[in-house]
Amino acid sequence: DAMVIQNPRYQVTQFGKPVTLSCSQTLNHNVMYWYQQKSSQAPKLLFHYYDKDFNNEADTPDNFQSRRPNTSFCFLDIRSPGLGDAAMYLCATSVTSGGFYEQYFGPGTRLTVT
Amino acid sequence: GQNIDQPTEMTATEGAIVQINCTYQTSGFNGLFWYQQHAGEAPTFLSYNVLDGLEEKGRFSSFLSRSKGYSYLLLKELQMKDSASYLCAVMDSNYQLIWGAGTKLIIKP
Repeated sequence: DAMVIQNPRYQVTQFGKPVTLSCSQTLNHNVMYWYQQKSSQAPKLLFHYYDKDFNNEADTPDNFQSRRPNTSFCFLDIRSPGLGDAAMYLCATSVTSGGFYEQYFGPGTRLTVT
Repeated sequence: GQNIDQPTEMTATEGAIVQINCTYQTSGFNGLFWYQQHAGEAPTFLSYNVLDGLEEKGRFSSFLSRSKGYSYLLLKELQMKDSASYLCAVMDSNYQLIWGAGTKLIIKP
């Protein structure tokens, strides 16, 4: 089945220790998104890619970086995680043709910072 | 600014009907989505409305009034597995999703 895959599902890192979260998709969607979601809050968009074009949200901290080496893969790098970065990180994909832009989500990576 | 409002929490009884409301103010409108999110899991798509009216899909229906900036999600014949958060999201003029904080629905036997 076509899907969005995120690894790992659970990640524990130490304060200040860089961490990378990964996302892959078999849907061949041209748009990929990274969201941060904290408990009982709305998902917060961090970045998105239209094909190779990178779009950074204005309020995304510099501590967060992203890479998309090809259509299928996307990475979220947190250079120096702080306690406030503990959250669920959601990867999503969509297409930009056809007039219907449903986003398909991966299962998420829950990040704990100790 | 852009804003999506929905109740924080609702409680309903198994077998009953519940309506979850969502009001929005956004820069442009390219459709409204409802997603279901179980605790600790990713959101899953429920419905999409871009024209006024009611869209029915099994036990779930979604209504949209663009002139009022208003939508609701109607859940019928509630089951325990429907206990989840329900997120309303509006696609703005830049085709970005503006998300509400979600409504936590608690189903009681």
